[in-house]
Amino acid sequence: GDSVTQMEGPVTLSEEAFLTINCTYTATGYPSLFWYVQYPGEGLQLLLKATKADDKGSNKGFEATYRKETTSFHLEKGSVQVSDSAVYFCALAEGSGNTPLVFGKGTRLSVIA
Amino acid sequence: GAVVSQHPSRVICKSGTSVKIECRSLDFQATTMFWYRQFPKQSLMLMATSNEGSKATYEQGVEKDKFLINHASLTLSTLTVTSAHPEDSSFYICSARDPGQNNSPLHFGNGTRLTVT
Repeated sequence: GDSVTQMEGPVTLSEEAFLTINCTYTATGYPSLFWYVQYPGEGLQLLLKATKADDKGSNKGFEATYRKETTSFHLEKGSVQVSDSAVYFCALAEGSGNTPLVFGKGTRLSVIA
Repeated sequence: GAVVSQHPSRVICKSGTSVKIECRSLDFQATTMFWYRQFPKQSLMLMATSNEGSKATYEQGVEKDKFLINHASLTLSTLTVTSAHPEDSSFYICSARDPGQNNSPLHFGNGTRLTVT
């Protein structure tokens, strides 16, 4: 079945450092890919998405590019802030209908001033 | 944008009692909603798919008699944890997709922290 593998955390960075969180996937079809963020005590918020190969999703300074050849969707940010501290989930969904998301295990990011 | 509202955000109950969690889509109609469970420091595990007007589809290993799902309208799905036990303590999150948007992502409620004492 489909699966998502994320780098294990926790990741601790100093403010203004460069962030990369690796994500790779396996899927039978041609999935859409997502990054969600979960702040402490809250639900999940969509951070960015990409629906086809070479698409780049971006939001709030975060970026991820859909790489079909490497089945990857790595999350990057050039300069993190303390407010970026959260858990980040990579996810995929097959098809365009009502299919659920398959999540990676999440990566906890802590940014220190 | 599309919003999913979940209530309550926190609930503490005694062992043996039942707890109902509501999930509402506020500005769109959702024929399908998804219920996830999140264990501490772990990913979200899909529990079941809630289908408006028909029975929910449960994932393998999820007890349907334990976790009752009712999707009575296009904007409301409920999850009832029956005869709760301490091992049911967890973070439950519902989600839904706006069918009116192309390639719409899943929108999540803010989750319900259930503690069974």
